[in-house]
Order: sequence, then structure tokens, then C-alpha cells
Amino acid sequence: DTGVSQNPRHKITKRGQNVTFRCDPISEHNRLYWYRQTLGQGPEFLTYFQNEAQLEKSRLLSDRFSAERPKGSFSTLEIQRTEQGDSAMYLCASRGQGDNSPLHFGNGTRLTVT
Amino acid sequence: DAKTTQPPSMDCAEGRAANLPCNHSTISGNEYVYWYRQIHSQGPQYIIHGLKNNETNEMASLIITEDRKSSTLILPHATLRDTAVYYCIVRAIPANQAGTALIFGKGTTLSVSS
Repeated sequence: DTGVSQNPRHKITKRGQNVTFRCDPISEHNRLYWYRQTLGQGPEFLTYFQNEAQLEKSRLLSDRFSAERPKGSFSTLEIQRTEQGDSAMYLCASRGQGDNSPLHFGNGTRLTVT
Repeated sequence: DAKTTQPPSMDCAEGRAANLPCNHSTISGNEYVYWYRQIHSQGPQYIIHGLKNNETNEMASLIITEDRKSSTLILPHATLRDTAVYYCIVRAIPANQAGTALIFGKGTTLSVSS
């Protein structure tokens, strides 16, 4: 399967710990997006990369959230000093060339903060 | 991007057509209509998109009204596996930036029963 891959699928952590999630996009896709989804809500956009450049990060939820895509391939999303309110599904998506090419999503990382 | 309005839930009998409506009365001339669906515990899956003409693919048909203020996603022969949350999204394609993220609402929960 050459779809978007996210690891881990599930993460349980204690409040105050740092967590990092990884996303491997579809290999030829240069655009990568992170979303967060809480129960009963649609996905909420967080940040966007084109190649290694982070072009939109104003919607990251706080300064505890950061994302990187150092070589323009895989990306990581880090949450520092986790809080119980950070419990959610974190989704990654990628897009290829073309103005209206669709987003392809991974199956997400489910974070539980205890 | 224009806002969309969808019913929170719909039911459909297996084998019948499922017609999911979406209102986007403030849509602009350069905004596309996208449909995604999300099956429980998975990431959203792209279904179809269109600008002004009706579109059909192996998954569904998209009917856009002439004034473009509403659209309908049609699943011609719904199966139990089509039970999911269906999201209707409108997105502009700015001429100088192709990276605009999709902004999701709460969608329509479609329940297909036998």
C-alpha cells in the first residue's frame, strides 16, 4: 500500500510528557497537512508544508505544538507538556501537483492523555 | 472559503440510492465543491469534486445546481459499507497559491441498514 502512513496508530501518555507523531506521505506528493479531530467534530486544520517549507502554521493550537518536515519527505508533529485536552485523533494528509488535486489522508494517530 | 450546510444525519436502505444534500449559497465562481467521507476509526477518504458540471466516478455522482448554490452527492446503490460521515467542502483555488487546506464541518452521518 502506497498511501499515507502514520505512526504510531495509538499513543497513551501521561499529562506533562512530550509526544511526537510521524507521517510518511505518498512519495510523489510535495504538499503535506496536519489536522486534529475530536469526537463528533470534523477534522480541524493545523498546519501545512510545501516541500520542506512550513507555509501555514497560524492554526497550530498553541506554542506547545510544532511540526517539521526537514527533507521535504516525512513530517513530525510534536506536542510538548501534553494536557488532557490534547486527547484527539491527529491526521496527516498529502497532495500532489495540480491546483485541485484531492487530499489523501492517513488513518491517524489516536492520542490519549491521562 | 464559502460555508456549507448539511443535515446532521440520514438513513438509507441497502441497495437504494443515497442522496446527500449540501447547501453552499455563498459559493464564489472559483470555488470547487469537494466530497469526502470518513468511516469510523479511519481517515477521511476523497470521493469526488466538481466546479459547475455534474461529475461521476466509480464511487458516486455529484450533481451541482445551475446557480451552484447547492449540490447533491449520489451513491447509486448504497451498501452497509457506505455507512460513514460525509463531508461537503467548498474550496477556492487562488491563482497564486495551490496549498489552501480543506476546512471541514460536521458533515452528515449516513446510516445504511439492511
